Amino acid sequence: SAVISQKPSRDICQRGTSLTIQCQVDSQVTMMFWYRQQPGQSLTLIATANQGSEATYESGFVIDKFPISRPNLTFSTLTVSNMSPEDSSIYLCSVGRYEQFFGPGTRLTVL
Amino acid sequence: AQKVTQAQTEISVVEKEDVTLDCVYETRDTTYYLFWYKQPPSGELVFLIRRNSFDEQNEISGRYSWNFQKSTSSFNFTITASQVVDSAVYFCALSGLFNFGNEKLTFGTGTRLTIIP
Repeated sequence: SAVISQKPSRDICQRGTSLTIQCQVDSQVTMMFWYRQQPGQSLTLIATANQGSEATYESGFVIDKFPISRPNLTFSTLTVSNMSPEDSSIYLCSVGRYEQFFGPGTRLTVL
Repeated sequence: AQKVTQAQTEISVVEKEDVTLDCVYETRDTTYYLFWYKQPPSGELVFLIRRNSFDEQNEISGRYSWNFQKSTSSFNFTITASQVVDSAVYFCALSGLFNFGNEKLTFGTGTRLTIIP
């Protein structure tokens, strides 16, 4: 299984600001996924990030709000833009095709 | 569209009791994959098992066992002789065939399991 790290592990941000979350994998992977887990809720896929192409966003998520970069096969970033309290969630990246493994998550609180 | 239903929101059992977590899924795919994940209080998601739709054999791993029944679209998870360390939220998930674009996971709403010492 891949070892996945995320930075920051948690943050408290002010309304209207942006936060960039980093996801680093210890091996090269084709696909990376970004999920959101709102408080007490299940996980929802935000987008799929392939290296060398634009991310594919799920219904309800847009690039202007959640821009994603995937500069190489071991790294990706997710930015949460113009944040509001509704963006307070855990954001998780995952990798893998047949068995998806998840990073430790980034706990975001927006005041 | 894919859907996963975990009807049990919360379950509490006394330590050493057996407990079964239910998972019912819906999909139009003929080939699909089912998963169980554990999310302890620390928040990290821990992979437990993946099952292919064409393999209905039950699986046992230590105190954990899984019962996959295509006829009822269910993939239930049983913990035998539960322990306090089993306390966590458990998610069932579903994905389509692994050709690019279908790997995304659809999660159920989770079951919060509390083991009472």
